[in-house]
Parts: sequence; structure tokens; C-alpha cells
Amino acid sequence: EIVLTQSPTTMAASPGEKVTITCRASSSVSYMHWYQQKPGASPKPWIYDTSKLASGVPNRFSGSGSGTSYSLTISSMETEDTATYYCQQWSSNSPLTFGSGTKLEIK
Amino acid sequence: QVKLLQSGAALVKPGASVKMSCKASGYTFTDYWVSWVKQSHGKSLEWIGEIYPNSGATNFNEKFKGKATLTVDKSTSTAYMELSRLTSEDSAIYYCTRRATTALRYWGQGVMVTVSS
Repeated sequence: EIVLTQSPTTMAASPGEKVTITCRASSSVSYMHWYQQKPGASPKPWIYDTSKLASGVPNRFSGSGSGTSYSLTISSMETEDTATYYCQQWSSNSPLTFGSGTKLEIK
Repeated sequence: QVKLLQSGAALVKPGASVKMSCKASGYTFTDYWVSWVKQSHGKSLEWIGEIYPNSGATNFNEKFKGKATLTVDKSTSTAYMELSRLTSEDSAIYYCTRRATTALRYWGQGVMVTVSS
């Protein structure tokens, strides 16, 4: 099973600050997907195929990476970005797995 | 638009089973895998398994083999998941999702299952 390790576990950012969340895979994966979840709501697809923004996602978000290291970046933090973000992979010879999540708060 | 409408919350006794539904609309049900995901309270997400409605083929996370049974009713575009021999560890929110390539692109609203005597 491919284990995804997210860092940081929690963080707080000021409005306008750049934010980077990292997801490291225990083995190389072809793509990484990201989900945003707010309290009491279902996870929302946020970034798919490493760098493609889901419909309605603001373009201050971006995704990048390859192999075992991937990241989600917010160019300028806004209050509405407060949420927990999960990375997810599915490669051959491994079940679909998620990272443990990064809780992002506004300062 | 694509929608996945899940059944309501369930309160079940330890040792019992629960069956939940996921009604799909807005797309051709038989064309996409339906995956199920577990989220225990305050915790991360776990993939349970998936079913391909066209053929009934399934894939499971080893952890959930013997715990979850996945079925579909093509006539109503509804997927089902039954969880058996429930314990407190099965108390969680369960989501159905529609998979596209390797991503889960659409999610239901979730079903909260509480296992308690």
C-alpha cells in the first residue's frame, strides 16, 4: 500500500500569505489529487491529475509535483480557504489511499 | 448535473448489519465505477472499495473484505453498500463517489452510521 504523508498537519496563515501543503508518497505515483473539506460537508474535488483545478476552484490555487513529492499551493490566502485538505493517489498494485489531511486556518 | 444522493443516517446495534444506498443521476450510471469511502469521526478518509455497475465487478481494500458488500440496481441507477457484523469501529460517515480515471470526481452527501446498543 502506498502511504501518503502530508505536512504540515495543521497550519495557520494570514490573509494574503502564500501557503504550501506537501504530500509525499512512499512510492512513486503518476498523479496526485487533492480534496477540500469543510466541517460538516463532503470532501470536494479540488485539484485533479496533479495540477488541474476542479470546476469553480479559484486560480490562486495550484498543484504541482511528480514521483513521490507533490504540493498544493495557495498564492494568496483568503478566509474562505480555511478547510482541511487531503491528497489522494491510486496507482497499480496499491489500493486507493489518502493522506492524513492538513488543517488550514486563518490567522 | 451529476448527483449522488445517499440514504439517511442509521443507528444500528453491535453485531447487526446495515445497508445504505446511493442513487445516481445526471450521467450514464453504467459507465463509471462507484467507490465508497469511510471517514471516522475527526479522522482521515479510507477507501473501502468500488463497483462497476455495468458488469458488477468489484475491487476492495483488503481491510474491508468480508466487512463490505457492494451491489447495484441498474434499473434505478442505485448503488448499495452493506456492512456486516458491526462494531463501534464501524461508526463513521460513509460516502459514495464516482470515479473518473484515478480521482473521485463526485461525492454524495454522506451517511452517518452509529453503532450503539
